[in-house]
Amino acid sequence: AQSVTQLDSHVSVSEGTPVLLRCNYSSSYSPSLFWYVQHPNKGLQLLLKYTSAATLVKGINGFEAEFKKSETSFHLTKPSAHMSDAAEYFCVVSEGGGYNKLIFGAGTRLAVHP
Amino acid sequence: DGGITQSPKYLFRKEGQNVTLSCEQNLNHDAMYWYRQDPGQGLRLIYYSQIVNDFQKGDIAEGYSVSREKKESFPLTVTSAQKNPTAFYLCASNTRTSLGGGQFFGPGTRLTVL
Repeated sequence: AQSVTQLDSHVSVSEGTPVLLRCNYSSSYSPSLFWYVQHPNKGLQLLLKYTSAATLVKGINGFEAEFKKSETSFHLTKPSAHMSDAAEYFCVVSEGGGYNKLIFGAGTRLAVHP
Repeated sequence: DGGITQSPKYLFRKEGQNVTLSCEQNLNHDAMYWYRQDPGQGLRLIYYSQIVNDFQKGDIAEGYSVSREKKESFPLTVTSAQKNPTAFYLCASNTRTSLGGGQFFGPGTRLTVL
């Protein structure tokens, strides 16, 4: 069975410093992996996705993630945090196939301080 | 502009009442999904539909019902049988053949039972 573990429920950084949100996954297949962002009382927005092409994936708003099969990790990074990055972030794995069921991590809340 | 709309944004229900949440998409997507989100948790799948007039239960379907009479619409009814319906409900969609392509999400409906 596939699963996703987000290693930190809360992360706090200062504006202008790097962001690291950690995600480990478990999958029997070659997975598709995603990071979504959710601002308060809003829907989810896709940040980036990995689908077995390049292992370093670039997304929107300066975020990127690296797929490491040997470590079963897909950590999200950004070189310099902005106040607008404060939100909830979800790491997601797809079971693939025609249905494309998504398995969500519990989320990491990112706080950005001035 | 293409997208997913959910209405209402906020919904209040008395115990024992059924309520219906609306989800409409103009993306011409085949598949639609309903998720439930509780504080500090990831999203859990309630129901999904890959084509018109067909739908399947997700992980937490008890106390919910859906219909898919049109490709654009996938309403969710929260019945009185749902023991703890207060939550944030998110609708999503994607093309049925978009393997690993992720899902597009609506802005959500927050349901509160009084």
